[in-house]
Amino acid sequence: AQSVTQPDIHITVSEGASLELRCNYSYGATPYLFWYVQSPGQGLQLLLKYFSGDTLVQGIKGFEAEFKRSQSSFNLRKPSVHWSDAAEYFCAVGSNQAGTALIFGKGTTLSVSS
Amino acid sequence: EAQVTQNPRYLITVTGKKLTVTCSQNMNHEYMSWYRQDPGLGLRQIYYSMNVEVTDKGDVPEGYKVSRKEKRNFPLILESPSPNQTSLYFCASAQGDIQETQYFGPGTRLLVL
Repeated sequence: AQSVTQPDIHITVSEGASLELRCNYSYGATPYLFWYVQSPGQGLQLLLKYFSGDTLVQGIKGFEAEFKRSQSSFNLRKPSVHWSDAAEYFCAVGSNQAGTALIFGKGTTLSVSS
Repeated sequence: EAQVTQNPRYLITVTGKKLTVTCSQNMNHEYMSWYRQDPGLGLRQIYYSMNVEVTDKGDVPEGYKVSRKEKRNFPLILESPSPNQTSLYFCASAQGDIQETQYFGPGTRLLVL
C-alpha cells in the first residue's frame, strides 16, 4: 500500500540548532516527493519538491531535503532553526501518473525553544 | 496576487442542513482538489478535478459532492452534514498535473452539531 510515515509527531529544537525531520515512504511507482509547512491558522506552503536528478534539493527558507532511494526516505533539514520555523511540517508523495493524488504524512509539529 | 480563496473561513451548522464551501483560484490552474485535515490523520483528499467538468473521488469522498462548471471555481457540497464531517478543509490548485506545485487556500473550519 502507498503510504508516507513521519515517525516524529512532535519535535522541540533550540533556536540556532540544526533540524532534521524524518519522512519514509512506500510507493510502487517512481515517487514525486514534497515537503509542505503549515503555520498556525494558515494553509500549506510548499517548501521543496523532488522529481528527479540531484538527490539533494534546496527549498525556501533555508530548508533542504535529501532523497535516498535505498532507504525510501526524504528527510528535511535546516542547519540553524529560527523561532519563526515553529509550525507543522508535512511530507507528501505522488507520482507522474495523471490523476493520482498526493498522499500526505500525518505531520510533525516543530516547537522552537529560546 | 495569485491566490486560492475559500469561503466561509469558519462555519457552524447542524446535522442535515445542506452547506456549500466555495473555492476559487485566479491562476488559471487546471487541477483543483479538496482535502480534509484531522488531528493525527494529516490531510486526506476528498475529491479532485483535472479540468472543467472532470471530477473524481479521492480517498474519503463519502458524504461530499463537488462540481467544476468553471475553471476557477470548485465548490464542496455537503448535502446532509454529519458530526463526523467536523474538520478543517483545504482547497488546492495546481497547473497541470499533481506533480506541479499545489497552492493551498487558507482553510475552512467546519463544526457540525
